[in-house]
Amino acid sequence: EVQLVQSGAEVKKPGESLKISCKGSGYSFTNYWIGWVRQMPGKGLEWMGIIWPSDSDTRYSPSSQGHVTISADKSISTAYLQWSSLQASDTAIYYCARRYGGNDRYYFDYWGQGTLVTVSS
Amino acid sequence: DIQMTQSPSSLSTSVGDRVTITCRASQSISTYLNWYQQKPGKAPKLLIYAASNLQSGVPSRFSGSGSGTDFTLTISSLQPEDYATYYCQQSYINPWTFGQGTKVEIK
Repeated sequence: EVQLVQSGAEVKKPGESLKISCKGSGYSFTNYWIGWVRQMPGKGLEWMGIIWPSDSDTRYSPSSQGHVTISADKSISTAYLQWSSLQASDTAIYYCARRYGGNDRYYFDYWGQGTLVTVSS
Repeated sequence: DIQMTQSPSSLSTSVGDRVTITCRASQSISTYLNWYQQKPGKAPKLLIYAASNLQSGVPSRFSGSGSGTDFTLTISSLQPEDYATYYCQQSYINPWTFGQGTKVEIK
């Protein structure tokens, strides 16, 4: 069974750093891109970026570039999303998702349960 | 970025109703269009991929159509478990972008 299990909720202060994780199981972790999606309180879904765990090739959305870092450790089938300096506006639920790609079709077929990040002074 | 616009933003419906949600892309995306369902406190769930393909395990009352810039998600007979928010998403080019969502509520 394919599963993506994310790390638990975090409460941080502005300016602090944070790294959240997403562990894949039940499939070959290095054969699928992993994406990160943000959902701010009461709002819609925003694609932040994706990573190819095999060689850590990474693509970012323009709004995420320079503000977050996406990484992966293929030896433990885990992807990460990290901030060096959090802002209150980073308060959101963050989802990881597996990107299926093949036969000219691309979509997120499996999702993690989400990690709530709260940034408040 | 490609802009995705859904309509309506919300709708009130009754069990058994036929529901249609539309999604328009700001440029042609062929059939690189997916639909997701999200219930409160839960992760999104894939319903339809490549505009018209039903994801495994999804009930056949859900269907999708369209190509180019205009797409439709249809629920043929709404069931109680279908009350949720629905999002379209283009996967034609990075960054993938989502519609703003359509909340389906009980009348």
